[in-house]
Amino acid sequence: DGGITQSPKYLFRKEGQNVTLSCEQNLNHDAMYWYRQDPGQGLRLIYYSQIVNDFQKGDIAEGYSVSREKKESFPLTVTSAQKNPTAFYLCASSSGTGTYEQYFGPGTRLTVT
Amino acid sequence: AQRVTQPEKLLSVFKGAPVELKCNYSYSGSPELFWYVQYSRQRLQLLLRHISRESIKGFTADLNKGETSFHLKKPFAQEEDSAMYYCALNPGAGSYQLTFGKGTKLSVIP
Repeated sequence: DGGITQSPKYLFRKEGQNVTLSCEQNLNHDAMYWYRQDPGQGLRLIYYSQIVNDFQKGDIAEGYSVSREKKESFPLTVTSAQKNPTAFYLCASSSGTGTYEQYFGPGTRLTVT
Repeated sequence: AQRVTQPEKLLSVFKGAPVELKCNYSYSGSPELFWYVQYSRQRLQLLLRHISRESIKGFTADLNKGETSFHLKKPFAQEEDSAMYYCALNPGAGSYQLTFGKGTKLSVIP
């Protein structure tokens, strides 16, 4: 069950700490995405990257940061500036634009107390 | 900005009954519409897209530009159809973004 992996599955942090979520893909996809999933809210786009060393803000980028130094990797940092960081985070990748199928990882559940 | 609305949070149907999951969108251009599904303990995955006009697992969806809808239908529900369903919109024109609806949980009663 390769493809796209996220680690860890569960993550706990104290308020005020930055935390980085990992996302790796071996699908040779150019594009990668980070979504936040909250109950009753669906998926909301945080950041996306079309190619290496380039990324764009999504709808809810405030309090988050990303990097794309390698094609395979797209880590997401949840900073202390994010007011409600506790959520389920999904990473996805696709071979092209939004018309292409997005492949999703298993997700990371972050709990900040 | 585009918006996707799924009016039902939860839809319960009996096995063998028809299913219709509603999706309405607002966008002035020519979008591309998708249905993604998340079965229990599985990853979110693409179910179907309007441009391919195919039937997957017995589900079909027709894009109605006049009514700005993309409802998902299946004539006879099966227990294995129980899942969370998300409608999603891509604005096209080279955009990478997908806007998702809030999802509808389908429960098929045996």
